Amino acid sequence: SYELTQPPSVSVSPGQTASITCSGDKLDNKYACWYQQKPGQSPVLVIYQDNKRPSWIPERFSGSNSGSTATLTISGTQAMDEADYYCQAWDSSTSVVFGGGTKLTVL
Amino acid sequence: QVQLQESGPGLVKPSETLSLTCTVSGGSISSYYWSWIRQPPGKGLEWIGHIYYSGSTNYNPSLKSRVTISIDTSKNQFSLKLGSVTAADTAVYYCARAPPYCSGGSCYPNWFHPWGQGTLVTVSS
Repeated sequence: SYELTQPPSVSVSPGQTASITCSGDKLDNKYACWYQQKPGQSPVLVIYQDNKRPSWIPERFSGSNSGSTATLTISGTQAMDEADYYCQAWDSSTSVVFGGGTKLTVL
Repeated sequence: QVQLQESGPGLVKPSETLSLTCTVSGGSISSYYWSWIRQPPGKGLEWIGHIYYSGSTNYNPSLKSRVTISIDTSKNQFSLKLGSVTAADTAVYYCARAPPYCSGGSCYPNWFHPWGQGTLVTVSS
């Protein structure tokens, strides 16, 4: 079955750039998307189709997908960006797949 | 804008069937995939399955034998049934909408937005 692997945690200082990775076999042959989830809230889409940003998401969020790794980048990270982040893709054998999630700490 | 709301019992006994309904408001249920996703307490997201507005379904292979998703377009609702539940099925259950992406003659849900607020279902006697 297809799997997506994320680091359990990433730390970043306010104002710096945070990068969260998502690895999967030949992931660049698929579309990856990313969700932000804050405690007690539903996930919110922040990036879709590798690098497209919904209108409600700030410009500091961006995405890329190359080789076997998709990356969510947050430029000028703010305290409000502290949350869990999940990547997701579609695989023909497994259907919808989520990564295990990454806890972003802004300190 | 489109909003989704889950409803159903918050407590289910072991070995029984979990039943939830998602009501879609602010838009039509047509032309999208409608999914169920769950999250055990303190853990990550797990896709359960989806139904296309036409009625075709696709389920997580690990849950397929116990899951049924159905749709009622006249009521703008879709539903989840998960049978033979155990404590491992305790989770927050979300419903979500996904636009279709079609390539090479196949279509699949591309990304999930919006999501419902989620409902906690506890499996316990």
